[in-house]
Amino acid sequence: RKEVEQDPGPFNVPEGATVAFNCTYSNSASQSFFWYRQDCRKEPKLLMSVYSSGNEDGRFTAQLNRASQYISLLIRDSKLSDSATYLCVVNSDPDKLIFGTGTRLQVFP
Amino acid sequence: NAGVTQTPKFRVLKTGQSMTLLCAQDMNHEYMYWYRQDPGMGLRLIHYSVGEGTTAKGEVPDGYNVSRLKKQNFLLGLESAAPSQTSVYFCASSGLTGAGETQYFGPGTRLLVL
Repeated sequence: RKEVEQDPGPFNVPEGATVAFNCTYSNSASQSFFWYRQDCRKEPKLLMSVYSSGNEDGRFTAQLNRASQYISLLIRDSKLSDSATYLCVVNSDPDKLIFGTGTRLQVFP
Repeated sequence: NAGVTQTPKFRVLKTGQSMTLLCAQDMNHEYMYWYRQDPGMGLRLIHYSVGEGTTAKGEVPDGYNVSRLKKQNFLLGLESAAPSQTSVYFCASSGLTGAGETQYFGPGTRLLVL
């Protein structure tokens, strides 16, 4: 079983739609959780950290379910500029992160 | 403030040749990482460093060596390149607490081994 698993997609959604991605992780001792965004042929960049109580940043909402070991990302009112690959990221120990293979989102007009 | 830079941006090697990839950061970060990214595989950690003068193996270290002689630089070496090392290589750095902090990535180096 992979340490971090994501549905690769692609998710094709119209502008204005709401879309959600899930991610599962295998290490119950993980303490740090993130969503990164990667545009085509570019480097990954932090989108948001994920906190135990859930957190929101504008149109983006992240949730953590420790009991079921999954993380979610909700994007509301999708924009064309949201088209990218979204990477679920979990720490495997205090020094290292494990990156999921990513979920591709394509927003169309 | 350049953040994380990588040199070169693109390189073509023949099997058996050697090369060094250079990563530099100007954020005074303690932690530095080298990843490779292949289609369908995601980012995989090659080697990392928790401070100047230290290095440690990641998930896929075979065929690579690293050095961190200066805090701001992290070098990745390929002694004898193989076609399986064709990939996109990303360097990243983070602050004081390693995996609990944001990792900042360089723009990547695209390597093709023929």
